[in-house]
Amino acid sequence: KNEVEQSPQNLTAQEGEFITINCSYSVGISALHWLQQHPGGGIVSLFMLSSGKKKHGRLIATINIQEKHSSLHITASHPRDSAVYICAVRRGNQFYFGTGTSLTVIP
Amino acid sequence: DAGVIQSPRHEVTEMGQEVTLRCKPISGHDYLFWYRQTMMRGLELLIYFNNNVPIDDSGMPEDRFSAKMPNASFSTLKIQPSEPRDSAVYFCASSRDRNTEAFFGQGTRLTVV
Repeated sequence: KNEVEQSPQNLTAQEGEFITINCSYSVGISALHWLQQHPGGGIVSLFMLSSGKKKHGRLIATINIQEKHSSLHITASHPRDSAVYICAVRRGNQFYFGTGTSLTVIP
Repeated sequence: DAGVIQSPRHEVTEMGQEVTLRCKPISGHDYLFWYRQTMMRGLELLIYFNNNVPIDDSGMPEDRFSAKMPNASFSTLKIQPSEPRDSAVYFCASSRDRNTEAFFGQGTRLTVV
């Protein structure tokens, strides 16, 4: 069983749609990260959360520690948002990764 | 700062050869991470350093893998001898501390034939 589960695995949306990607984890954590990996392979760290909510541009990340759940929202989605989004959690010295959500935004 | 710099970007080598991957973290970052990404297993943390000291290497798959950080601006990940199943993209990342976001290098795509 994976310590980190993401859903959906694949997502196709029309440009402009509101998108939600979910991450559930089964261990107590110190922090949760959302990563973005573009088709070229580069990885960018979007957010690091330990509680509450963070916003950066059209991206919003929330975390509910009690429910062991985080969501990444993209408002007014754009084709350039097409990427794989990876949820990762840290527990002490251990890091656990989700398998990623592949997002395609169609013009 | 130029960001995290990895070299080479691509490496093709024959089975049994030694492979050395290099990473230059962002100046002032005290943490350095080595990750491996494959289609089968996704992203995995191999090892990470704090102030040049290895903190957790439990993700290192076998004794064939070793990592060093001789100073704050340089780290290597070595595979000796390499095997085809080591083929993957290897990422290096650095962060200012454990509670801040990490910045990733562009990765090294390793192919062992």
